[in-house]
Amino acid sequence: DADVTQTPRNRITKTGKRIMLECSQTKGHDRMYWYRQDPGLGLRLIYYSFDVKDINKGEISDGYSVSRQAQAKFSLSLESAIPNQTALYFCATSDLGATNEKLFFGSGTQLSVL
Amino acid sequence: EDQVTQSPEALRLQEGESSSLNCSYTVSGLRGLFWYRQDPGKGPEFLFTLYSAGEEKEKERLKATLTKKESFLHITAPKPEDSATYLCAVQAGYSTLTFGKGTMLLVSP
Repeated sequence: DADVTQTPRNRITKTGKRIMLECSQTKGHDRMYWYRQDPGLGLRLIYYSFDVKDINKGEISDGYSVSRQAQAKFSLSLESAIPNQTALYFCATSDLGATNEKLFFGSGTQLSVL
Repeated sequence: EDQVTQSPEALRLQEGESSSLNCSYTVSGLRGLFWYRQDPGKGPEFLFTLYSAGEEKEKERLKATLTKKESFLHITAPKPEDSATYLCAVQAGYSTLTFGKGTMLLVSP
């Protein structure tokens, strides 16, 4: 089983719809992240959480919200999806006790907003 | 602002043809430079962390090196299975990672 699991793997939605992407991990890591990846733009950080009570905005948080339901679960919501949110979304984790931010990624969710 | 620039954007090699990928960076107080490999449709997979200038790390046909301004990922005698996108990222202090846009490598048999 994957250490970092993202659901769904693929999602097609319409403009204006609310959707949620979910991430769960079995690595026991405290830190969790949401990134989006666009062709030509690389990986960009949306939100991150260092523990259950900690939520931080990343580089491109507008239009997104997150919830850290438990140490192992971190969900990303698009309250009203728009076409330029079409992208590949990744969840990642890292170990609070590690000396650096070595990230472990899920397999991604391909989101298409029509 | 931390910046990471990877070159070339894409590289096509013949099997066995060695080459290098470049990652140049601007960061205040480098804590670590990371290399990841990403296969199509999958999440990035960690390869190396380099901490200080002069450091080198190797894994199979890959060797990563670090100077004060850039890192190189040397690929010796590549095989088709080395085809992937290679991502570079830096961490400054206790901040989150800043990623480059990646180099897409295609190795032909």
